[in-house]
Amino acid sequence: SYELTQPPSVSVSPGQTAWITCSSDMLSRQFTYWYQQKPGQAPVILIYKDTERPSGTPERFSASSSGTMVTLTITGVQAEDEADYYCQSGDSSGNWVFGGGTKLTVL
Amino acid sequence: QGQLVQSGDEVKKPGASVRVSCKATGYIFTYYSITWVRQAPGQGLQWMGWVSTSNGRTHYAQNFQGRVTMTTDTSTDTAYMTLGSLSFDDTANYYCARVGGDEGMDVWGQGTTVTVSS
Repeated sequence: SYELTQPPSVSVSPGQTAWITCSSDMLSRQFTYWYQQKPGQAPVILIYKDTERPSGTPERFSASSSGTMVTLTITGVQAEDEADYYCQSGDSSGNWVFGGGTKLTVL
Repeated sequence: QGQLVQSGDEVKKPGASVRVSCKATGYIFTYYSITWVRQAPGQGLQWMGWVSTSNGRTHYAQNFQGRVTMTTDTSTDTAYMTLGSLSFDDTANYYCARVGGDEGMDVWGQGTTVTVSS
């Protein structure tokens, strides 16, 4: 089955850059999406179609891909960015999958 | 922009079924599919499947095939998810989300907590 692997946690000081990776065991894949979830809230989409930002996503959030790994980059982390982050993609059969999630801690 | 409002929290006994509704407002319902995602306490997101609001076609995650049914009612712009044969492991927060083409899950419901307890 298709799996997406994320680091369980990432810690960063305010103003620094955070990188959250998402790796796939499949060479071919569909688009990747990123979601942010704060405690007690529903997820919110951050990135769609690998690198596109919806209008409500701050510019400090960006994404890139290289081979079977995609990376969410948060440049100039703010305290409000402390949250869980999930990548999501799919396979050619129409199945979708989420990564296990990464807890971002702002020190 | 659109909004999805889900039905209230539920408590069910093992073996029972639960139906969660998801009412769409502020956009044309049949322009977007609805997907369902659940999150067990302290755990990550788990995709359950999706339903096309334009033709009712469904695609379920393998883990749920045989005991999940996703439907829509275009007369009330409401999507439904029914999960049967509940076990304690089905205790979770269940979310509906709107999916438009390649734009991802761009609008989410507030979540419905389903507790399975004897």
